[in-house]
Amino acid sequence: AQSVTQLDSQVPVFEEAPVELRCNYSSSVSVYLFWYVQYPNQGLQLLLKYLSGSTLVKGINGFEAEFNKSQTSFHLRKPSVHISDTAEYFCAVSRGGDMRFGAGTRLTVKP
Amino acid sequence: DVKVTQSSRYLVKRTGEKVFLECVQDMDHENMFWYRQDPGLGLRLIYFSYDVKMKEKGDIPEGYSVSREKKERFSLILESASTNQTSMYLCASSLGTSGTRADTQYFGPGTRLTVL
Repeated sequence: AQSVTQLDSQVPVFEEAPVELRCNYSSSVSVYLFWYVQYPNQGLQLLLKYLSGSTLVKGINGFEAEFNKSQTSFHLRKPSVHISDTAEYFCAVSRGGDMRFGAGTRLTVKP
Repeated sequence: DVKVTQSSRYLVKRTGEKVFLECVQDMDHENMFWYRQDPGLGLRLIYFSYDVKMKEKGDIPEGYSVSREKKERFSLILESASTNQTSMYLCASSLGTSGTRADTQYFGPGTRLTVL
């Protein structure tokens, strides 16, 4: 079975500061990894995904994530956040035809 | 752009009522999914469908059923609503090519269901 652990339920940060949202997964086989974002009162939308190849994946809105197989991690980073990045972020793992989501990290960007 | 629509944004029902949640996608996707989202638990898969008239149980199917009579429409049914089914319900679809597990899922805006 595969599972996803998001290590922080809430991350407050000031505008223009860097941020890292942490995600660890457990799986005995190769997986595909995703980060989704949910803005207030909206559904989820894809930020980025790792399928294969380069371990550094760039996504929309200046976000990037690094796949680390030895540490089974897929942490999301942004060098300088904006107020508009305030949202909930979900890490997800796909192995078979379905996807498993983490519990989410609420990022709050303060002015 | 892929569009996934859900019939209601907010719904209030009484215990014991039969509840229908409708989801429609406009991109000819093969796969459709129903999740419920609860604080601290993330998204949990209720049911999914790989094709018309086909359905598979997810992690928490108890108390729910689904129907997929047409490719673009996937309905979630609560046969007898209970208060513990108060939640946000999210529908999603994905392309369903041979690389299904790499598919991006596209989500609707969600239906916030309250059962009194």
